[in-house]
Amino acid sequence: EAGVAQSPRYKIIEKRQSVAFWCNPISGHATLYWYQQILGQGPKLLIQFQNNGVVDDSQLPKDRFSAERLKGVDSTLKIQPAKLEDSAVYLCASSLARTGGFYNEQFFGPGTRLTVL
Amino acid sequence: AQKITQTQPGMFVQEKEAVTLDCTYDTSDQSYGLFWYKQPSSGEMIFLIYQGSYDEQNATEGRYSLNFQKARKSANLVISASQLGDSAMYFCAMRAGGSQGNLIFGKGTKLSVKP
Repeated sequence: EAGVAQSPRYKIIEKRQSVAFWCNPISGHATLYWYQQILGQGPKLLIQFQNNGVVDDSQLPKDRFSAERLKGVDSTLKIQPAKLEDSAVYLCASSLARTGGFYNEQFFGPGTRLTVL
Repeated sequence: AQKITQTQPGMFVQEKEAVTLDCTYDTSDQSYGLFWYKQPSSGEMIFLIYQGSYDEQNATEGRYSLNFQKARKSANLVISASQLGDSAMYFCAMRAGGSQGNLIFGKGTKLSVKP
């Protein structure tokens, strides 16, 4: 079974430029997550999709970040314009549809390391 | 508010020995789940083990076990018989706030296994 795919793996841009990341979840996984992981910290959820609808985007800086999952499969995360503090690893994860209970294993992709100069 | 605290930025362990990585959590919810993930230098997060707040037995998965002390709000990860491949960052995480709650991660502990 193929894992979560992300591209690009690395990206270097200058501040005020725009950038986009792509994620393809595991086949059949209805739930998709984007996390931001700043160096020295744990991942922080940016946005969660269930199929093509947004479940939680409370920590997404909506003035510069946007995300979409138009057909309920792959997703893109965009930053426009980028700031220095956006330098981080952006992780995509997927899981089966949320049901009752707390156990719902998330499978993570390799991440995209963004450096903003 | 939910919070995860990992107080050990880095740990060293000799190959084949056991090591305990500390994790304390804070939540006012009665129902929650606790997770441990491993993040090698390649970057992906690998799920290791899960403990539900109502589980009476400590979770075990191969060489990994979770020492769950509910009254102390701690969920320490124990790795037995450490291997060189265990060198990585380890993150404790919690899901509370009902079944729609999301994962909240600690800052992680960097484990280095010495030959």
